[in-house]
Amino acid sequence: QKEVEQDPGPLSVPEGAIVSLNCTYSNSAFQYFMWYRQYSRKGPELLMYTYSSGNKEDGRFTAQVDKSSKYISLFIRDSQPSDSATYLCAVSTDSWGKFQFGAGTQVVVTP
Amino acid sequence: EPEVTQTPSHQVTQMGQEVILRCVPISNHLYFYWYRQILGQKVEFLVSFYNNEISEKSEIFDDQFSVERPDGSNFTLKIRSTKLEDSAMYFCANRDRGGTGELFFGEGSRLTVL
Repeated sequence: QKEVEQDPGPLSVPEGAIVSLNCTYSNSAFQYFMWYRQYSRKGPELLMYTYSSGNKEDGRFTAQVDKSSKYISLFIRDSQPSDSATYLCAVSTDSWGKFQFGAGTQVVVTP
Repeated sequence: EPEVTQTPSHQVTQMGQEVILRCVPISNHLYFYWYRQILGQKVEFLVSFYNNEISEKSEIFDDQFSVERPDGSNFTLKIRSTKLEDSAMYFCANRDRGGTGELFFGEGSRLTVL
């Protein structure tokens, strides 16, 4: 079983719609959860960082962590064509160790 | 905003040659990492580095790979004898002194082995 699973997409939405992304993970020891945005041939850009369970909101982005279900989500409100990218989830057991990445979900926002 | 800087942005090399990829981390960050991403695949952990020594490495990080912080600022990844399958994007990443967990990436170095 993969440690982090993420639907590769592509996920196509019209401009202005809500984008809903999710990942599942297998190790209940994971406590640190991140979402990154990656444009083609560029480095991952940190969007959201969450420790343990709960919700976190930053502008148009909301991250949710449900540790009981081992499920993390990212919502993008009022999506824009510039949001078209690959979104990566990443998990870690501690604040200094490695992060494990999902395969990424490609999102396409059409004007 | 502080950035992680990587050089070169792209390197083409012949199989069997040595390659050194360089990173200038965000200042006062103490935890350093190298990740790689083969085209179309996921980001994979290679190695973590703290207090001038390797703290963890993956099975990918075999004897052909080494890391060091030669001058207290740069952080380098050396591949001693490149193979075709080493062709990938290599990303340097750091976490801050407080260990809050946020991991910041550089723009990557694209390595093409011919």
